[in-house]
Amino acid sequence: NAGVTQTPKFQVLKTGQSMTLQCAQDMNHNSMYWYRQDPGMGLRLIYYSASEGTTDKGEVPNGYNVSRLNKREFSLRLESAAPSQTSVYFCASSPGTRTYEQYFGPGTRLTVT
Amino acid sequence: RKEVEQDPGPFNVPEGATVAFNCTYSNSASQSFFWYRQDCRKEPKLLMSVYSSGNEDGRFTAQLNRASQYISLLIRDSKLSDSATYLCVLPSDTGRRALTFGSGTRLQVQP
Repeated sequence: NAGVTQTPKFQVLKTGQSMTLQCAQDMNHNSMYWYRQDPGMGLRLIYYSASEGTTDKGEVPNGYNVSRLNKREFSLRLESAAPSQTSVYFCASSPGTRTYEQYFGPGTRLTVT
Repeated sequence: RKEVEQDPGPFNVPEGATVAFNCTYSNSASQSFFWYRQDCRKEPKLLMSVYSSGNEDGRFTAQLNRASQYISLLIRDSKLSDSATYLCVLPSDTGRRALTFGSGTRLQVQP
């Protein structure tokens, strides 16, 4: 099992460009999450999906959109990138029932210039 | 008060030493607690879950003090491979089944 996979691993964007970060999990988990991690700060939740077909905002959703394409895949879209979105983005999944334990992908390092 | 607070460190300890980190939390209703480990430029990985007063797994012991609202992680007989950042994690109080992460405590084990 690959667990949680993310693409791309690295990306450089110019201000105003758009891109989609892809995430997939093969653990048959119900819940999926997108976090960002900035230096000196804990991971902050951007969006989450409790189950296929549902999405909800987290702590820092502005500037992002998400799509839960199916049970396996959860994508994060930046419509018009800004330098403040320079960060490391992690996708995570969780069985979602009776547990809060989450399993993370390797991350995407995004730089917006 | 922040939801989860940790001393950022770094804690520099020699191999074989015992080291402990504390984490304080603000939500007195929290029932579950987690320690995640994050290596440099890698993803966080679950180290231990704490659902009652504590948990032990080999050289690692997590203890919970509900009265004072802190959890601790004790590492005995430190190895070079224990060098990492340790994240204190609690369920978010938003009811979304999400997690709230501390900013982490960095441990450097030296030969």
